[in-house]
Amino acid sequence: AQTVTQSQPEMSVQEAETVTLSCTYDTSESDYYLFWYKQPPSRQMILVIRQEAYKQQNATENRFSVNFQKAAKSFSLKISDSQLGDAAMYFCAYRSTPWGGGADGLTFGKGTHLIIQP
Amino acid sequence: DSGVTQTPKHLITATGQRVTLRCSPRSGDLSVYWYQQSLDQGLQFLIQYYNGEERAKGNILERFSAQQFPDLHSELNLSSLELGDSALYFCASSLGGAANYGYTFGSGTRLTVV
Repeated sequence: AQTVTQSQPEMSVQEAETVTLSCTYDTSESDYYLFWYKQPPSRQMILVIRQEAYKQQNATENRFSVNFQKAAKSFSLKISDSQLGDAAMYFCAYRSTPWGGGADGLTFGKGTHLIIQP
Repeated sequence: DSGVTQTPKHLITATGQRVTLRCSPRSGDLSVYWYQQSLDQGLQFLIQYYNGEERAKGNILERFSAQQFPDLHSELNLSSLELGDSALYFCASSLGGAANYGYTFGSGTRLTVV
């Protein structure tokens, strides 16, 4: 079974600075998808960024980018120019591809609580 | 508004009781997924339905069941409730059963068992 580990229960960053959230995963599959979700105090789960394992290029969405290291099974999220609205829980998630034979749902890490200091 | 509607938003019930949580997926989405978020277990995948049929099962207890109706809305039934079932229950939807994209989540139903 796949597992996702987020080793940082909490991170703090000054507004306008850059912060990196760590995520590692364990899988025997060669093809899969990785996601970062944001959960603000409203509890809504919001997709931040997505990465397909077969793509070598790291995904980028505005101020959010990932560092995907497939061999190391690492998938970190970098937030540049941090804003107060970025304060939230961030969850790393894994999903098998349908031909991978794994479960169809997302496997989540425990989350990292990101605090933005004004 | 994500387009995924969950009702009710909050539910308080007693141990031993049975409740039904409802989810309407985003327009055009055929798959519905249920997740449980609790303090001790984190976010866990429970079950997936695709176009009315069960597609995949995760860590769903036997006391829990779900179904998806012809209009594609889904219901999660929780019975013989225990204190430990208190959690936030999310529904998510996606276009296909083989979702290549992140799912769209509803705002959740907060279940409190007393």
